[in-house]
Amino acid sequence: DQQVKQNSPSLSVQEGRISILNCDYTNSMFDYFLWYKKYPAEGPTFLISISSIKDKNEDGRFTVFLNKSAKHLSLHIVPSQPGDSAVYFCAASVGSNFGNEKLTFGTGTRLTIIP
Amino acid sequence: DAGVTQSPTHLIKTRGQQVTLRCSPKSGHDTVSWYQQALGQGPQFIFQYYEEEERQRGNFPDRFSGHQFPNYSSELNVNALLLGDSALYLCASSWRVGLAGYEQYFGPGTRLTVT
Repeated sequence: DQQVKQNSPSLSVQEGRISILNCDYTNSMFDYFLWYKKYPAEGPTFLISISSIKDKNEDGRFTVFLNKSAKHLSLHIVPSQPGDSAVYFCAASVGSNFGNEKLTFGTGTRLTIIP
Repeated sequence: DAGVTQSPTHLIKTRGQQVTLRCSPKSGHDTVSWYQQALGQGPQFIFQYYEEEERQRGNFPDRFSGHQFPNYSSELNVNALLLGDSALYLCASSWRVGLAGYEQYFGPGTRLTVT
């Protein structure tokens, strides 16, 4: 049962344009969402996160939007740069006061930025 | 500041053998989680260690076991290896206590090939 889904295996975007990566989830208990970026031969690198009490979080060129009613989140990258070419993973967790609960990942979207 | 380190980088084993993978967490982190990433999939949670005890476990058989040492480093052991255990094994570290967020920092992984 895939609780976190990234339905687009790949995405190509022109340099300078906006990249939009999408993620859907099925578990209503998820209350914290994260995006990770992964280059070949490296571990995933944390990009940005959002708590379920918010619907938007921004960090420089990266913005994550959360639509709880649709169980959908998206990552916007503006403007896209060649160094953004990587595999992007959406992840979710069920929070607790203790923090740092296990992450459930999607299958990833390979983003290619075309110069 | 050293990040998460893992050893070895690559490993080739035969079916039925046993393997031990090692992880040193990022400085200041006290919690270690292990993930398995099969080809074309997102990382899947195996288990998490805090205060030298297994705190959470994913849907993996008992052939997968672990240990955390007083210096917070950790080992992942897999017994009776199967061909399906071939994957990238990722270690992630984080702070366990407090609402520091759910950001887990990943190491580069150990690529295990079972023949």
